[in-house]
Amino acid sequence: GAVVSQHPSRVICKSGTSVKIECRSLDFQATTMFWYRQFPKKSLMLMATSNEGSKATYEQGVEKDKFLINHASLTLSTLTVTSAHPEDSSFYICSARDLGGDSRETQYFGPGTRLLVL
Amino acid sequence: GQNIDQPTEMTATEGAIVQINCTYQTSGFNGLFWYQQHAGEAPTFLSYNVLDGLEEKGRFSSFLSRSKGYSYLLLKELQMKDSASYLCAALSGTYKYIFGTGTRLKVLA
Repeated sequence: GAVVSQHPSRVICKSGTSVKIECRSLDFQATTMFWYRQFPKKSLMLMATSNEGSKATYEQGVEKDKFLINHASLTLSTLTVTSAHPEDSSFYICSARDLGGDSRETQYFGPGTRLLVL
Repeated sequence: GQNIDQPTEMTATEGAIVQINCTYQTSGFNGLFWYQQHAGEAPTFLSYNVLDGLEEKGRFSSFLSRSKGYSYLLLKELQMKDSASYLCAALSGTYKYIFGTGTRLKVLA
């Protein structure tokens, strides 16, 4: 149980284009999902908390107009990187909590999306 | 402030025991997680400690001391596949994880 998927796993795009990343909870409902960013050999940094049916909560320093988050259903959250630039190249990982599971606090991570902006 | 410290790298031999330490300073501390992450992959949940003491789960055990702001992950009977990064994460409040930079463990034959 508690499986989270992400799509795509890898994407290469031109500078100035927008990229959408999907995060799905496959066998549970997730009212809250989390989006992280990880640079090589660095820690995961929380970007935003995605709330089903309401606006996302962004961490300090994260531009909400650049990183658009939509949590349209209990099993799907999307992150859109708008007008991507090379400095946006990174590993993006989503996670979700299974509030109906044994541990409400545990976050289960998706396999990540590697974004390369040329 | 929020701060998590763990060693950057460790090396151990196949079949041995290794202990990875983590110290933390976190407001609203609500538990300590350990995750395993292989290169280019997502973190996989290993353990969650909210009370002081040792939690054992097969070859992996995790310890927490809330008064000392200290945790460790103990890996026994090391296998080559255990070569990975091990992330320590403190739960601040009800949902926010504060991650350490991770400890890269190399298991040698």
